[in-house]
Amino acid sequence: DADVTQTPRNRITKTGKRIMLECSQTKGHDRMYWYRQDPGLGLRLIYYSFDVKDINKGEISDGYSVSRQAQAKFSLSLESAIPNQTALYFCATSDSDRRSGYTFGSGTRLTVV
Amino acid sequence: DAKTTQPTSMDCAEGRAANLPCNHSTISGNEYVYWYRQIHSQGPQYIIHGLKNNETNEMASLIITEDRKSSTLILPHATLRDTAVYYCIVRGAAGNKLTFGGGTRVLVKP
Repeated sequence: DADVTQTPRNRITKTGKRIMLECSQTKGHDRMYWYRQDPGLGLRLIYYSFDVKDINKGEISDGYSVSRQAQAKFSLSLESAIPNQTALYFCATSDSDRRSGYTFGSGTRLTVV
Repeated sequence: DAKTTQPTSMDCAEGRAANLPCNHSTISGNEYVYWYRQIHSQGPQYIIHGLKNNETNEMASLIITEDRKSSTLILPHATLRDTAVYYCIVRGAAGNKLTFGGGTRVLVKP
């Protein structure tokens, strides 16, 4: 099993629908992150969580919300999906030592039509 | 966090060393330099990181200049599977977030 698992892998949804992307990890890491990647561009941080009770906005949080249900689970929701939220979404984890690397999931490809 | 500057793209011959430069002239004393790569649309993969000293692992070597204003990632014997976008990231002391730039698109050619 992958260390960081994202579900679904692919999703097509309609404008205005609510959708949740899920992320679970077996790394035992405290910190979890959601990134978005548009074609040809680098990753941009949406939200991050340093522990279960800590949620922080990233650089592009508008239109998104998150829930940290447990240390191992971090979900990203699009309350009312719009076409410009079509992108590749990545979840990542890290431990509290800032020298440690991130572990990324395989991504969720979301298309909003 | 300090910004980084990387070439947009570069080609490399299979079997040769690939040297990927990165400028981070505004880096502060406690910031680490990290390298990640992203193969096609997969999740980014951690390669290596360093603070002051040169570092080597099974994937690559990282050479950091003495003034720490630039660094070079070296893939010693590039293979076709090393074709990817390589990101150089400076990670700050405040918070723990990775901020990705555009990276260098490396194409390894036979």
